[in-house]
Amino acid sequence: EVQLVQSGAEVKKPGESLRISCKGSGYSFTSSWISWVRQRPGRGLEWMGRIDPSDSYTNYSPSFQGHVTISADKSITTAYLQWSSLEASDTAIYYCARRERDSESSMDVWGQGTTVTVSS
Amino acid sequence: EIVMTQSPATLSVSPGERATLSCRASQSVRDNLAWYQQKPGQAPRLLIYAVSTRATGVPARFSGSASGTEFTLTISSLQSEDFAVYYCQQYNNWPPWTFGQGTKVEIK
Repeated sequence: EVQLVQSGAEVKKPGESLRISCKGSGYSFTSSWISWVRQRPGRGLEWMGRIDPSDSYTNYSPSFQGHVTISADKSITTAYLQWSSLEASDTAIYYCARRERDSESSMDVWGQGTTVTVSS
Repeated sequence: EIVMTQSPATLSVSPGERATLSCRASQSVRDNLAWYQQKPGQAPRLLIYAVSTRATGVPARFSGSASGTEFTLTISSLQSEDFAVYYCQQYNNWPPWTFGQGTKVEIK
């Protein structure tokens, strides 16, 4: 079974750093891109960026460029989303999602989401 | 950035009725258009990709179509499990890929 399993919920203070993870299994991790998608409370979906785990090439949405870093370790089939300095506005659910390279499809497998709460 | 505009924001439909959801792109996305379903407390689920291709396991009552930059998701006969929020998403131009703001399908 193709799965993306994300790390657990986090509660942080403004200014703290954080890294959340997304572990892929059941498929060739380097044959797909991993995207990160934000959903603020009661709001819609926002695509943040993606990584190609085969070479760690990344693309970011201009809205998120410079505020987050996406990385991956293909040896353990895990992608990461990290912040160096969290803000209250980063409070949201973060989803990772797979898109197979060279596929007609979009993001076909999603992680269960990681809730990040930033509050003083 | 391509802007995706969905309408209506909320659609009230009775079980068994047909639901028609719309999504307009601010410029051409060719056929790189997907639809997702999201239920409360769950991750989004891919329903349709490439405008009209159903994802694995998606019932035939879900269908997608296009006319230029106007896209439509039709649910032919709403079942209780179909009441949810639906998002369109373009994956033609990036970064960024962009989503519509969502249409909530609620019970009438």
